Amino acid sequence: SAVISQKPSRDICQRGTSLTIQCQVDSQVTMMFWYRQQPGQSLTLIATANQGSEATYESGFVIDKFPISRPNLTFSTLTVSNMSPEDSSIYLCSVEKLAAQRGGTDTQYFGPGTRLTVL
Amino acid sequence: KNQVEQSPQSLIILEGKNCTLQCNYTVSPFSNLRWYKQDTGRGPVSLTIMTFSENTKSNGRYTATLDADTKQSSLHITASQLSDSASYICVVRRTGFQKLVFGTGTRLLVSP
Repeated sequence: SAVISQKPSRDICQRGTSLTIQCQVDSQVTMMFWYRQQPGQSLTLIATANQGSEATYESGFVIDKFPISRPNLTFSTLTVSNMSPEDSSIYLCSVEKLAAQRGGTDTQYFGPGTRLTVL
Repeated sequence: KNQVEQSPQSLIILEGKNCTLQCNYTVSPFSNLRWYKQDTGRGPVSLTIMTFSENTKSNGRYTATLDADTKQSSLHITASQLSDSASYICVVRRTGFQKLVFGTGTRLLVSP
């Protein structure tokens, strides 16, 4: 399994400012993911954070708006830049743990999320 | 198009009753299907993961079924408890792809 913590758990920010969200995992993982969950909706993948290389962004998400760092195998940050009210969402960090045995199933674990409100 | 659809969108049941949530998918090629429980204000927690060859998998009072031929899955909750009130999300992984395909979820409210 994997235990994931995120900071902050919630924040209220002013329009035009930036917020950096931290994600810490209790074990080394190759791949970390950042998701956004808007009110009443399911999860949307923002980007995949790879250690030692640039993050891979999904369609509709750009590095200038959501810069990501991945300095080591247990930590990542997501910055929401130049925020607007439309960025109000829950942002979730996720990791994938590979199957312990050959033929097993990889499992994805999620952090508790960061609830962001932009005024 | 690779999609996961869940029904019903929301559901209210009395404590102690059973319920079944549905998931239909058009994802291909299929690798596995996962059911997650998401409490309000928390991240999703995995309930079950099922591969192509598995028809049924249980986790306590939760039982998931998978029919890979009809591309349908269900999550049955037995003897519901107030703590079962949450969103239940069906997620499918495509073989060879890292990105998961998420359903929109079913919001379950268990009433005393």
